[in-house]
Amino acid sequence: GENVEQHPSTLSVQEGDSAVIKCTYSDSASNYFPWYKQELGKRPQLIIDIRSNVGEKKDQRIAVTLNKTAKHFSLHITETQPEDSAVYFCAASIGTGGFKTIFGAGTRLFVKA
Amino acid sequence: GAGVSQSPSNKVTEKGKDVELRCDPISGHTALYWYRQSLGQGLEFLIYFQGNSAPDKSGLPSDRFSAERTGGSVSTLTIQRTQQEDSAVYLCASSLVPGYRDRGTDTQYFGPGTRLTVL
Repeated sequence: GENVEQHPSTLSVQEGDSAVIKCTYSDSASNYFPWYKQELGKRPQLIIDIRSNVGEKKDQRIAVTLNKTAKHFSLHITETQPEDSAVYFCAASIGTGGFKTIFGAGTRLFVKA
Repeated sequence: GAGVSQSPSNKVTEKGKDVELRCDPISGHTALYWYRQSLGQGLEFLIYFQGNSAPDKSGLPSDRFSAERTGGSVSTLTIQRTQQEDSAVYLCASSLVPGYRDRGTDTQYFGPGTRLTVL
């Protein structure tokens, strides 16, 4: 079955710097890759997603890139702010025959002011 | 409108007892997911319902776990003969119509979770 690996598990950056989180997936049939942000004690919320028919997507300070050949995708946060501190989860799912979603283990991001 | 709701928010039970966790998805959402999140860990897929199709149960960890979705709306996750390792936050999510290329229909909206503690 699908397996999603996420690195690093913890990331600490200075306010204003960029943060990059990387994920790899195992099932080449995966075609939808969302990223979720979970603040302490709160529920996960979608921040950005990408489909397999595009290589990059950007939304203000957040961007996601996808390399289908290598089966990896990355989240890029620029100009980080303290409120970006949270746990970020990548996920992969297959759009045919169901939409089972497998999440990575998460990256705890600390943005130091 | 109302988001995904779950009840109870907290459940403390004794080892060996059965528990039922409830999820009310967003009205009109056809897909419903259950996940388990242990302390400081990621989201573990448990089960997925889509419309009237047979659910994908491949993530259920043992036959003590079962789930149903009545009338295509409310879902109940049942854990029989609970064990201490079942202690976790159980999250439910729903999405509108997964698989379409339209933006937003795949987005999973999560409920607040049920924190289960098995003593």
